[in-house]
Amino acid sequence: DIQMTQSPSSLSASVGDRVTITCRASQDISNYLAWFQQKPGEAPKSLIYAASSLHSGVPSKFSGSGSGTDFTLTISSLQPEDFATYYCQQYKTYPLTFGQGTRLEIK
Amino acid sequence: EVQLVETGGDLIQLGGSLRLSCAASGFSVGTNYMNWVRQAPGKGLEWVSIVESGGNTHYADSVKGRFIISRDNSKNTVFLQMNSLGVEDTAVYFCARRGRFCTDGVCHYSFDSWGQGTLVTVSS
Repeated sequence: DIQMTQSPSSLSASVGDRVTITCRASQDISNYLAWFQQKPGEAPKSLIYAASSLHSGVPSKFSGSGSGTDFTLTISSLQPEDFATYYCQQYKTYPLTFGQGTRLEIK
Repeated sequence: EVQLVETGGDLIQLGGSLRLSCAASGFSVGTNYMNWVRQAPGKGLEWVSIVESGGNTHYADSVKGRFIISRDNSKNTVFLQMNSLGVEDTAVYFCARRGRFCTDGVCHYSFDSWGQGTLVTVSS
């Protein structure tokens, strides 16, 4: 199975900050990488697919990059609604696997 | 508008069985890749199973041999039959669609729509 490791596990930031979350795959997954946002008590929301393509309706403040084994999610100009948990996921092979999540908190 | 509504979650005894349903609207489950993803209390997301548009199914090792995914195209509904339930199966179960996104001849099948989830609690 492909293991997905996110760092950091938690992150404190202020409104207006720019933050970056890293995701590393245990083997080459090309760009078969997605990012999700989840707020407490809610279903996940799909943000990015193919490592860098935004889903429809996702604001351009979210951006993704990477290929192979190393990927990043960057969120610019943080707003209160952006504080949530973020997950990466590889979908190159079964079983599909998620990172453990990065909790983004308000400083 | 794409919508997924899960039902069937319940409090169930250890070793029992339960069937979850995911009713879809706005698209056809038979021509899409439909998944179940679960989240144990306070934990992260775990992919459980998929039924592909061609009918192939795949499972996480943690549920293989105990869970069965199926669909009824006439009802536009996906099911998850869960047997031999253990306390480790306690979770919110989400239904999710893997949409198809193609660019320059390369297609990606990535989650694009999620249901609100249904809670399964296994009691010992």
